[in-house]
Amino acid sequence: DAKTTQPTSMDCAEGRAANLPCNHSTISGNEYVYWYRQIHSQGPQYIIHGLKNNETNEMASLIITEDRKSSTLILPHATLRDTAVYYCIVRVVGNQFYFGTGTSLTVIP
Amino acid sequence: GAVVSQHPSRVICKSGTSVKIECRSLDFQATTMFWYRQFPKQSLMLMATSNEGSKATYEQGVEKDKFLINHASLTLSTLTVTSAHPEDSSFYICSARHGSTDTQYFGPGTRLTVL
Repeated sequence: DAKTTQPTSMDCAEGRAANLPCNHSTISGNEYVYWYRQIHSQGPQYIIHGLKNNETNEMASLIITEDRKSSTLILPHATLRDTAVYYCIVRVVGNQFYFGTGTSLTVIP
Repeated sequence: GAVVSQHPSRVICKSGTSVKIECRSLDFQATTMFWYRQFPKQSLMLMATSNEGSKATYEQGVEKDKFLINHASLTLSTLTVTSAHPEDSSFYICSARHGSTDTQYFGPGTRLTVL
């Protein structure tokens, strides 16, 4: 599975959109982009995933560039409860999930 | 939907004893479950892949005789840490693969402390 690169940490003001970038320049055609988040001392929570097209659900939006070498997770109106470590993972269907170091997002009041 | 539970949430044991952790998919069947370990301020490390009715597949460097995995049903996988030592103290997290979506859903984790 392709590797991903994420910023170590980010801050976002409460109520504003949080845009979390992920670089996956070696992604192959059959690899999906997944996003999970982990709030302190809890198991990771699934957020969203996509292959080529942009995706949106009740939690977030996923924007994947046309060349698929990077993506952005958007939390439209960040709240204090969105403070967590966000993991971007690239994987082929059926393969295991290998976690990188993720981005620690802090939502500031 | 897609809820995964773990039991116990916390366990403290003496060095040399064995500890069993259960992982259950509550509202879906999971032919494949996964076990992770997470040390403080580190990311999740995949330990093994558990397949229902067959032997688990362990990641490189994970001792299969120390971390016994059983996946006897489509909703239950267990991890037994045998002859636990203080260095086994960690946060153990399981996940279950939802067959129809291929998405993994994670349990809340088990905090193991070995004295």
